[in-house]
Amino acid sequence: AQSVTQLGSHVSVSEGALVLLRCNYSSSVPPYLFWYVQYPNQGLQLLLKYTTGATLVKGINGFEAEFKKSETSFHLTKPSAHMSDAAEYFCAVIISGGYNKLIFGAGTRLAVHP
Amino acid sequence: DTEVTQTPKHLVMGMTNKKSLKCEQHMGHRAMYWYKQKAKKPPELMFVYSYEKLSINESVPSRFSPECPNSSLLNLHLHALQPEDSALYLCASSQSPTGNSYNEQFFGPGTRLTVL
Repeated sequence: AQSVTQLGSHVSVSEGALVLLRCNYSSSVPPYLFWYVQYPNQGLQLLLKYTTGATLVKGINGFEAEFKKSETSFHLTKPSAHMSDAAEYFCAVIISGGYNKLIFGAGTRLAVHP
Repeated sequence: DTEVTQTPKHLVMGMTNKKSLKCEQHMGHRAMYWYKQKAKKPPELMFVYSYEKLSINESVPSRFSPECPNSSLLNLHLHALQPEDSALYLCASSQSPTGNSYNEQFFGPGTRLTVL
């Protein structure tokens, strides 16, 4: 069965520092992987998604993620954090070929300090 | 228009009340979803509608009753809820119900429900 593990429920960085949010997946078939962001009292917004092909995926707001099959990872990075990046981030996987059912990780809350 | 709208934004109800949540999209999507999100937790899937038919019910209690009157509209009827049902209820839609990364789910802003 597919699952997603996000390492670190809270991550704190200084403004301008590198952001690294970790996501590892478990899947017996090639996975479809997503990163979503949720700002306080809002719905979820798609940051980026992995499809077959390029393993380095660029998303919105300067975020990118690299799919590493050998490490079963899909970590999210941003070179320079901005105060507006403070939010909850969810990594998710879809069971390919079945219904469009997102399986979410537990989430990582990103805090950005001046 | 890539927006999913939800009304109301906030809802407070007693355990004997009947209320409804509404979700609307005008992207021509044929799959729509209800999620429940408790504080500091990820969203949990409740229902999936595919081409206006209920496809998935994730063992949700019958006090939650979904309805899809047409391809653009999704309702969630609430009756005899419990305080533990208080949560953020999110609606989402996607072009089709097939699981692949080309079939992005678009989320609405949610309805914050409080059951007294």
